[in-house]
Amino acid sequence: SAVISQKPSRDICQRGTSLTIQCQVDSQVTMMFWYRQQPGQSLTLIATANQGSEATYESGFVIDKFPISRPNLTFSTLTVSNMSPEDSSIYLCSVGDRAGDGYTFGSGTRLTVV
Amino acid sequence: AQSVTQLDSQVPVFEEAPVELRCNYSSSVSVYLFWYVQYPNQGLQLLLKYLSGSTLVKGINGFEAEFNKSQTSFHLRKPSVHISDTAEYFCAVSFQGAQKLVFGQGTRLTINP
Repeated sequence: SAVISQKPSRDICQRGTSLTIQCQVDSQVTMMFWYRQQPGQSLTLIATANQGSEATYESGFVIDKFPISRPNLTFSTLTVSNMSPEDSSIYLCSVGDRAGDGYTFGSGTRLTVV
Repeated sequence: AQSVTQLDSQVPVFEEAPVELRCNYSSSVSVYLFWYVQYPNQGLQLLLKYLSGSTLVKGINGFEAEFNKSQTSFHLRKPSVHISDTAEYFCAVSFQGAQKLVFGQGTRLTINP
């Protein structure tokens, strides 16, 4: 299965600033996903990123707040913009081309907004 | 509506005891079912999956799960747990082969010596 490198692993940011999270995969994949895991909660899908097209956002998430780039088949970034303390969460990227294969997850970015 | 429910938010058990973590889903379409484990400060790791065929599936670390279509359940079991099994366990469902996964709320498994 694919190996994912996600950076940074954690960060503490000031409110009103932005943080860009990187996800690098060791093989080419069509589908990349970004999830949010709020403290003590389950995972919620933010958006699906396909190479060469606009990301598809889930209900409750908008591009202005969470812009995503997908420049090639091995890399994606998620930016958390104009951060507030409510954005404090773990953000995870995930890859998988077929639902039946299961998905591989990065180790996550633990974000704290102060 | 399509949903996934993990009935227990926390499950404490003694070392070497058996454990069952419960997962139920609601769907009128076909499903793929998954169990993931999240160790402290780490990402998610796939334990096992059910796509079709035998309803009893075996995964890594001695875990197994049984798909029960009539009860729309996919409970995770292990006959004898170890301290190292302490983690958060997530049930996830893909509805009708959709790429998107829907996760349950998670069950925190705590193993006491």
